[in-house]
Amino acid sequence: QQQVRQSSQSLTVWEGETAILNCSYENSAFDYFPWYQQFPGEGPALLIAIRSVSDKKEDGRFTIFFNKREKNLSLHIKDSQPGDSATYFCAASWNSNNRIFFGDGTQLVVKP
Amino acid sequence: GPKVLQIPSHQIIDMGQMVTLNCDPVSNHLYFYWYKQILGQQMEFLVNFYNGKVMEKSKLFKDQFSVERPDGSYFTLKIQPTALEDSAVYFCASSLNWGPNTGQLYFGEGSKLTVL
Repeated sequence: QQQVRQSSQSLTVWEGETAILNCSYENSAFDYFPWYQQFPGEGPALLIAIRSVSDKKEDGRFTIFFNKREKNLSLHIKDSQPGDSATYFCAASWNSNNRIFFGDGTQLVVKP
Repeated sequence: GPKVLQIPSHQIIDMGQMVTLNCDPVSNHLYFYWYKQILGQQMEFLVNFYNGKVMEKSKLFKDQFSVERPDGSYFTLKIQPTALEDSAVYFCASSLNWGPNTGQLYFGEGSKLTVL
């Protein structure tokens, strides 16, 4: 059973638009949700993360909205830039553990 | 930022052969991990390692897999013998601390293994 699901395999937006990447999870015990950004030929890098006690986390143009009751979250990328084109992985874990469960990833393309 | 280096970036071997994937973690990190990603699929946890011992492994970490980090050297993943289903990209990661809130994982660029 897949623990973390991302609703879109790919997403294309125009430069300047807000890209919204959706994610849901199965295990209510998860309490930490990082998003990783991966460029081709590179390893994933932590972009932004939220704990389950919060419903929103903002860092510059990147914002996570979290809904614990519905067990879903989304990553919003404001004012998307072509340099944001990458694969974004939603992930989840619980505080006592560093075992991270990844979604399949959403490939974002930002067109100039 | 901190870098995790993986060697080789790509290796092609025949089924049944042994392969060793090498990882040079961030220098002061204490916890080490391997993840496996089959093309087009999610990255899946294989194993984590601390103080010379495997702390936790998943069901993907078959008996043919082993990990070690002799003092001052690479953190390695050895597969012996390899099978066709071992073809994947293997990502190494390291963290200074334990627990996702304080132990941010830094990933390498991956080692692509192709088993023929």
